[in-house]
Amino acid sequence: GENVEQHPSTLSVQEGDSAVIKCTYSDSASNYFPWYKQELGKGPQLIIDIRSNVGEKKDQRIAVTLNKTAKHFSLHITETQPEDSAVYFCAASKGSSNTGKLIFGQGTTLQVKP
Amino acid sequence: SQTIHQWPATLVQPVGSPLSLECTVEGTSNPNLYWYRQAAGRGLQLLFYSVGIGQISSEVPQNLSASRPQDRQFILSSKKLLLSDSGFYLCAWEPGGHTYEQYFGPGTRLTVT
Repeated sequence: GENVEQHPSTLSVQEGDSAVIKCTYSDSASNYFPWYKQELGKGPQLIIDIRSNVGEKKDQRIAVTLNKTAKHFSLHITETQPEDSAVYFCAASKGSSNTGKLIFGQGTTLQVKP
Repeated sequence: SQTIHQWPATLVQPVGSPLSLECTVEGTSNPNLYWYRQAAGRGLQLLFYSVGIGQISSEVPQNLSASRPQDRQFILSSKKLLLSDSGFYLCAWEPGGHTYEQYFGPGTRLTVT
């Protein structure tokens, strides 16, 4: 079945450094790729997304890149701050579905050390 | 602007007791609604989704059921809770028309003892 693999599972960086999280997907019909940030005890928050007709999208310190040929996409966070510490989830749309279903990766715990 | 609410925020229930979790959305019409469960340190498992009143699709056979009595209300229920039902339950809404943009509520932490 459809699958999304996310790496690494944990990531520790120094404040001010960059962080990169990578995901690969299996469904060639997927055309929407969101990233969520989940702080402890809270619901996931949509932070950035990209659709298949775009290769890169940037919003201040975060950016997402998409390589449809290789079926992978990445989240880039520059100038990391302690408040960026959280669990990040990638997801891919289930292309064959007639609903808005998403397939989620297993999450990356990002720790930004002051 | 749109807002999604879930209650209760936390719940401790004994094995065998019933369950009712509620999710409501404000500021939108005809949303698609989703129930997810998140085990500790794990990813998101889709349980149910709904594209309209009374229309429920189940993703995983289990001890739970869902209902959508009103356009912006989604309820997750169980007649008899199991220990394995413990987890963090999340409701999400998506604008109608399958944009895939899902927005999550604050979640309900359920502990079955």
